[in-house]
Amino acid sequence: QVQLVQSGAEVKKPGASVKVSCKASGYTFTNYAMHWVRQAPGQRLEWMGWINAGNGNTKSSQNFQGRVTITRDTSASTAYMELSSLTSEDTAVYYCAREEGSPYYFDYWGQGALVTVSS
Amino acid sequence: SYVLTQPPSVSVAPGKTARITCGGNNIGSKSVHWYQQKPGQAPVLVIYYDSDRPSGIPERFSGSNSGNTATLTISRVEAGDEADYYCQVWDSSSDRGVFGGGTKLTVL
Repeated sequence: QVQLVQSGAEVKKPGASVKVSCKASGYTFTNYAMHWVRQAPGQRLEWMGWINAGNGNTKSSQNFQGRVTITRDTSASTAYMELSSLTSEDTAVYYCAREEGSPYYFDYWGQGALVTVSS
Repeated sequence: SYVLTQPPSVSVAPGKTARITCGGNNIGSKSVHWYQQKPGQAPVLVIYYDSDRPSGIPERFSGSNSGNTATLTISRVEAGDEADYYCQVWDSSSDRGVFGGGTKLTVL
């Protein structure tokens, strides 16, 4: 069965960076793109970006002004999302989600990783 | 950028039908997907391509999409359906995912 298992909760200081991992199992990792979506407390889901796990091509939302870096390690079937220059507004649960279909939807989601930014 | 608008809340009695709308400019020309999110949990896909159901999702969940409004319909609502529901499209013009603001379904 498809599973996406994310790294644990993190507490970071303003200005720092955070890197969240998402380990995939139950399917061929390089056959699907992986997306990242975040949800601030009480807020809507916000799409952050995606990576083609096969060729490594990425795209990030302009809302993050170049602060998002998405990478993958095919040998570990793991995708990563790094967010830099953190502020309190980046406090959120960060999800990875597997892409399916065209146009795209997200058929499997990780359990989420809470990132708290606090001085 | 493309905007999706949902009502903040919908209330329904058990056994009745809930309808959750998702508004967007000419949304009928796009494919709409719906997710259910219960407190403290990750979203779960309940409808894709406007009206298709993933395996394991009850037939009580259905969807439609036309004009400027997509609708998620939940028939014979149960207490376990209480959750937040989000619509989503892929905005091909900006090549990014877009989510609605979410609707909290309350079962009275």
